[in-house]
Amino acid sequence: SQKIEQNSEALNIQEGKTATLTCNYTNYSPAYLQWYRQDPGRGPVFLLLIRENEKEKRKERLKVTFDTTLKQSLFHITASQPADSATYLCALLTGGGNKLTFGTGTQLKVEL
Amino acid sequence: EPEVTQTPSHQVTQMGQEVILRCVPISNHLYFYWYRQILGQKVEFLVSFYNNEISEKSEIFDDQFSVERPDGSNFTLKIRSTKLEDSAMYFCASSSEAYGNEQFFGPGTRLTVL
Repeated sequence: SQKIEQNSEALNIQEGKTATLTCNYTNYSPAYLQWYRQDPGRGPVFLLLIRENEKEKRKERLKVTFDTTLKQSLFHITASQPADSATYLCALLTGGGNKLTFGTGTQLKVEL
Repeated sequence: EPEVTQTPSHQVTQMGQEVILRCVPISNHLYFYWYRQILGQKVEFLVSFYNNEISEKSEIFDDQFSVERPDGSNFTLKIRSTKLEDSAMYFCASSSEAYGNEQFFGPGTRLTVL
């Protein structure tokens, strides 16, 4: 069966450290993988998109890697801040091309 | 900065009643979507819409659901006869291109079916 798995347990880290979140998928061949941030009671907010032929993408303090052999993406937040505390969602572009299939998300808490 | 808006923010209805959830996508976007998120669960795709037609729909989007773009700005999701299990947060999203483009999500409508 098809699955998108993210760390189910919350990730607690200290301010200033690098947070690394994992997204693993099975039985998909996505051409694109996206990461979104979701705050409680709010809609997802787009952060980064990476294509299957890209190994790494960066945007300010964010970095995403995409390994289609391992079927895994890693999402890094460097110099983390309490304001980075949120749930981070991995999403694959599947089906006809514009349908997003989301993982369950990983809750990140950055502590002072 | 342009944003997707949704109304109402919270809708309470009785089982069996019809509800219409409304969305105003970003004005120059051409692709529209509805997703839902049951409390504590993942965001799930319902339907995508382009050029006044449904382009893709999920198994959740059965005959009780319909979508419409009644004018140049609104995009609606109708649930004809609500069930208890329809209780969820419903998100509208839009994008300027179809394939691979980021989707902009609205703040959501919380639907509670009693």
